[in-house]
Amino acid sequence: EVQLVQSGAEVKKPGESLKISCKDSEYSFINYWIGWVRQMPGKGLELMGIIYSGDSDTRYSPSFQGQVTISVDRPISTAYLQWSSLKASDTAMYYCARLHFDNSGYYRFDSWGQGTLVTVSS
Amino acid sequence: DIQMTQSPSSLSASVGDRITITCRASQTISNYLNWYQQKPGKAPKLLIYATSNLQNGVPSRFSGSGSGTDFTLTISGLQPEDFATYYCQQSYSAPLLTFGGGTRVET
Repeated sequence: EVQLVQSGAEVKKPGESLKISCKDSEYSFINYWIGWVRQMPGKGLELMGIIYSGDSDTRYSPSFQGQVTISVDRPISTAYLQWSSLKASDTAMYYCARLHFDNSGYYRFDSWGQGTLVTVSS
Repeated sequence: DIQMTQSPSSLSASVGDRITITCRASQTISNYLNWYQQKPGKAPKLLIYATSNLQNGVPSRFSGSGSGTDFTLTISGLQPEDFATYYCQQSYSAPLLTFGGGTRVET
């Protein structure tokens, strides 16, 4: 079973950069999609973007295009979510999740990391 | 973009109740619809995929139905551990999936 382990909580100031990680501790990054999901305090789930571990094909949801960068380091089975200049509104819990797809073409997030809390405050 | 609208946004229920949550897509998505459960401070958990297929280990009191634009999640015989927030998600536009706004089930 895929086990995704995320990096620890972060406290940053506005304008600072940040890169958080998500490591597959059980398997190598055999070809699958890894997504990043934002959950702002008291709010719902939003898929920010998703990356395919096989060829690093990356797709961003329109609201997040240009706001973050998603990458993967396949040899160490780790995906990343990166900001170049944080804002207070980036304060949220961030989850990585594996997108499973079956032979019938149905996709779903079947394995999730534990979440990384990012707090941006001056 | 495909928008997903859930109703109600919250509901009050008691142990043993049968509850239904509705999810509507802004365009037809066939049966490409998933449901997740999230408890406070925890990551979401997949309950149902492809509208009506229970993920391994999910109790049979959970069921899903629907097609096209309208879908439902039903919990028959609510248990104490079922008080949580539930999200639908369309996978028609995979790999970019979108979530509904969530339904909080509270006592």
